[in-house]
Amino acid sequence: NAGVTQTPKFRVLKTGQSMTLLCAQDMNHEYMYWYRQDPGMGLRLIHYSVGEGTTAKGEVPDGYNVSRLKKQNFLLGLESAAPSQTSVYFCATKNPRLASGNTIYFGEGSWLTVV
Amino acid sequence: DAKTTQPPSMDCAEGRAANLPCNHSTISGNEYVYWYRQIHSQGPQYIIHGLKNNETNEMASLIITEDRKSSTLILPHATLRDTAVYYCIVISGNTGKLIFGQGTTLQVKP
Repeated sequence: NAGVTQTPKFRVLKTGQSMTLLCAQDMNHEYMYWYRQDPGMGLRLIHYSVGEGTTAKGEVPDGYNVSRLKKQNFLLGLESAAPSQTSVYFCATKNPRLASGNTIYFGEGSWLTVV
Repeated sequence: DAKTTQPPSMDCAEGRAANLPCNHSTISGNEYVYWYRQIHSQGPQYIIHGLKNNETNEMASLIITEDRKSSTLILPHATLRDTAVYYCIVISGNTGKLIFGQGTTLQVKP
């Protein structure tokens, strides 16, 4: 998954703690996304951004905040972690040019456990 | 943006063709059909995409109906390594809110 880097890859949090997941891309893409994936379920969109300084809510935004201060970075924050936020988190970027091939690039995922 | 509908699961015998359907009846003229797959908990992997013509690459073939309201992903000779969740999504250049849905879980059996 060259071009999209997520940090950290693994983290264990206690209930009530806060943390930030960082997604960094080097492809100059405007669109960036944060998804979560629970066991046996599909990808669910948390928040997304269509450009620097803009963010919008996805399907499951509650309990999360995001920021896009720089074009290359999209941060996902958990202010007060809950066990229900135990999940695998994927960041993605989208290339608006569709005709030539792949348009969505994913990070390798971040495994988060809240105890 | 158009929504897609896929069957939740399918089985396929190893070595046979796997045909995965997708309905996208509200697709608009500038939207492409994309297919991705996800193996275990890895990041989704691009397979193929198309606008209105049928497409083929080294991984799969994509058949899009003439009215573009549905499509079929074909894996010509499925192997056990093709067991995965397959997502069909419809995207345009300015698609902001990108929803994947549940996808189809394909189980390839020996």
